[in-house]
Amino acid sequence: SYELTQPLSVSVALGQTARITCGGYNIGSKTVHWYQQTPGQAPVLVIYRDNNRPSGIPERFSGSNSGNTATLTISRAQAGDEVDYYCQVWDSSTVVFGGGTKLTVL
Amino acid sequence: EVQLVASGGGLVQPGRSLRLSCATSGFTFDDYAMHWVRQAPGKGLEWVSSISWNSGSLVYADSVKGRFTISRDNAKNSLYLQMNSLRAEDTAFYYCVKVRGYGGYFDYWGQGALVTVSS
Repeated sequence: SYELTQPLSVSVALGQTARITCGGYNIGSKTVHWYQQTPGQAPVLVIYRDNNRPSGIPERFSGSNSGNTATLTISRAQAGDEVDYYCQVWDSSTVVFGGGTKLTVL
Repeated sequence: EVQLVASGGGLVQPGRSLRLSCATSGFTFDDYAMHWVRQAPGKGLEWVSSISWNSGSLVYADSVKGRFTISRDNAKNSLYLQMNSLRAEDTAFYYCVKVRGYGGYFDYWGQGALVTVSS
């Protein structure tokens, strides 16, 4: 079965750029979606189809996908960005989530 | 406004059954496939099951195959998850989720129903 690998945690200084990776075999051939989850709440879509932002998501959030790594980039990191992030792809007819990354804003 | 409201969670003994329901509104329910995703307390997201718009395609994660059954009632705009032979490792928040497009993304999530399997 297909697996997605995310770092358990990523740290970024306030106002700087955070990059959260999602690794998978030839993930560049798949479409990647990203979700943000605040503890105690349901996940929220922040990037769909590799690099598209839903309405209401700040332009600071962007995505890329190539080779064996997809990346969620958060520019000008804010304290409110300090939550969990998950990548997601489809593998045949099933859905695969990465293990999740906790972003710490220092 | 799209709303997904899950219900039916609770405390259940190992080996017993439970049925989750998800009442939806704010979109044309029978235009979309629907999914269940779960999250054990303090853990990551785990996809559980999906159902096509007309119930013609049902897909399950290996971890629940043969024990869980997904269904829907388009007349009632509702999604269901029948969970049998429950195990301690099934303890989780269960989210009903709307998907956008085949092979697409989850654009709306319910609030989650907590299922606790314990003796």
